[in-house]
Amino acid sequence: AQSVTQLDSQVPVFEEAPVELRCNYSSSVSVYLFWYVQYPNQGLQLLLKYLSGSTLVKGINGFEAEFNKSQTSFHLRKPSVHISDTAEYFCAVSDWRNRDDKIIFGKGTRLHILP
Amino acid sequence: DAGVTQSPTHLIKTRGQQVTLRCSPKSGHDTVSWYQQALGQGPQFIFQYYEEEERQRGNFPDRFSGHQFPNYSSELNVNALLLGDSALYLCASSLNRGENSGNTIYFGEGSWLTVV
Repeated sequence: AQSVTQLDSQVPVFEEAPVELRCNYSSSVSVYLFWYVQYPNQGLQLLLKYLSGSTLVKGINGFEAEFNKSQTSFHLRKPSVHISDTAEYFCAVSDWRNRDDKIIFGKGTRLHILP
Repeated sequence: DAGVTQSPTHLIKTRGQQVTLRCSPKSGHDTVSWYQQALGQGPQFIFQYYEEEERQRGNFPDRFSGHQFPNYSSELNVNALLLGDSALYLCASSLNRGENSGNTIYFGEGSWLTVV
C-alpha cells in the first residue's frame, strides 16, 4: 500500500525567505503526486499535481515541486513566502493502477511565517 | 458554479447517537469520496461512491456507512458515536468515469463533528 511521509510537522520561516517542505512516498511505481493546502478552518485546495512528463511542476501561488523518482521524493518549494502562506500543507499520492482515485495523505506540515 | 458543498458545518452529538452528514458534489462530477481528518492529522480515506455504489473502502468500521443518490449527492452516516469520532469530515468530488486519470479532486469545507 502507498504511504506518504512528511518529514517536518512544523516549519518556521521568515517572510520573503525561501521555503522547502519535504515529502517522501513509499514507491515510485504507478503514482500520481499532489500537494494540497489547508488554510485555517477551511477545506483542502489543490496547489499542484504530478501525473507524468516534466518532473518540475508549477502550481498556484508561486509554489513548485519536483518529482524525484530515485529518491521517491516530491518536495514543495517557494522562493519567497508571504504571511498569507500561513497554512497546513499536505503531500498526497494516488495509485493510477486503481479504478478509483483514492488519495493517501501525509500528516501535514504547518508553515509558520515569521514577520 | 458551486463547488462541493457540505452540511451541516458544525454539530455536536452525544456518545452512542447517530449522525448523518451531507454532500453535494461539484457540478458535473460523478464520484464522491469521504475523508476523516482528526485534529492535527492528515485526512484519512473512509470510502468512495461511484454510480451509487461503494467502490472502495478505507480502514473504518461498519459503523460508518454511506449512500450516493441518482443526482450524485451523498450522505455519510455514523452509528453508535464514540468520542474518537470527533473530527472534520471532508467530502471530495471528482469526475472519474470508472478510471483514475488524475483528474483534480475538489474538497468541500467539511463538517466539524464533536462527540461529547
